[in-house]
Amino acid sequence: GESVGLHLPTLSVQEGDNSIINCAYSNSASDYFIWYKQESGKGPQFIIDIRSNMDKRQGQRVTVLLNKTVKHLSLQIAATQPGDSAVYFCAENSGGSNYKLTFGKGTLLTVNP
Amino acid sequence: DVKVTQSSRYLVKRTGEKVFLECVQDMDHENMFWYRQDPGLGLRLIYFSYDVKMKEKGDIPEGYSVSREKKERFSLILESASTNQTSMYLCASSFIRKLANYGYTFGSGTRLTVV
Repeated sequence: GESVGLHLPTLSVQEGDNSIINCAYSNSASDYFIWYKQESGKGPQFIIDIRSNMDKRQGQRVTVLLNKTVKHLSLQIAATQPGDSAVYFCAENSGGSNYKLTFGKGTLLTVNP
Repeated sequence: DVKVTQSSRYLVKRTGEKVFLECVQDMDHENMFWYRQDPGLGLRLIYFSYDVKMKEKGDIPEGYSVSREKKERFSLILESASTNQTSMYLCASSFIRKLANYGYTFGSGTRLTVV
């Protein structure tokens, strides 16, 4: 898994398996969280978001889980495909008027065929 | 399809040159941001802007300046490029108080090499 401030971890999975990417955030005041996917040579793309009043949110093949008690966020990818290979990173918004996001350093997901 | 467009994908500049990186968004977003991304360091905020002609320093503003004369355009300026500014530069935009659905929208990035 990853934590804001740590080196880039890696996760290698077989095609068709489920993937779980973790993120620990530090600011208990953060009220909004986002997962981004960044493929090699491209800009980050929004995957899914969640607000702090929710514990779980589902998208297409992706689920984000938020555990505020331990300040932990996870991204679950179902039936991982080769096209899912990328760096995934979480971002948190600590509120306030400026809406700056704080980004984790990311996890490199490699999907083996 | 909404877009954040960065004018160049790749740039090679010489040390000491003044470099302009341009970013344009077509979503009428109030907020715009410039980040640099380096291996092992993640995304680091250089400057951001909440409105036309407004700018605020991010975490690593040294050696950079910005300009936002129009809402849709946010320019990053390297006053005198140095080799330690070789990096991937990412522009992003967002709504004010409207992060609920989409967060930041990023451009494709500009990979700048200073030689």
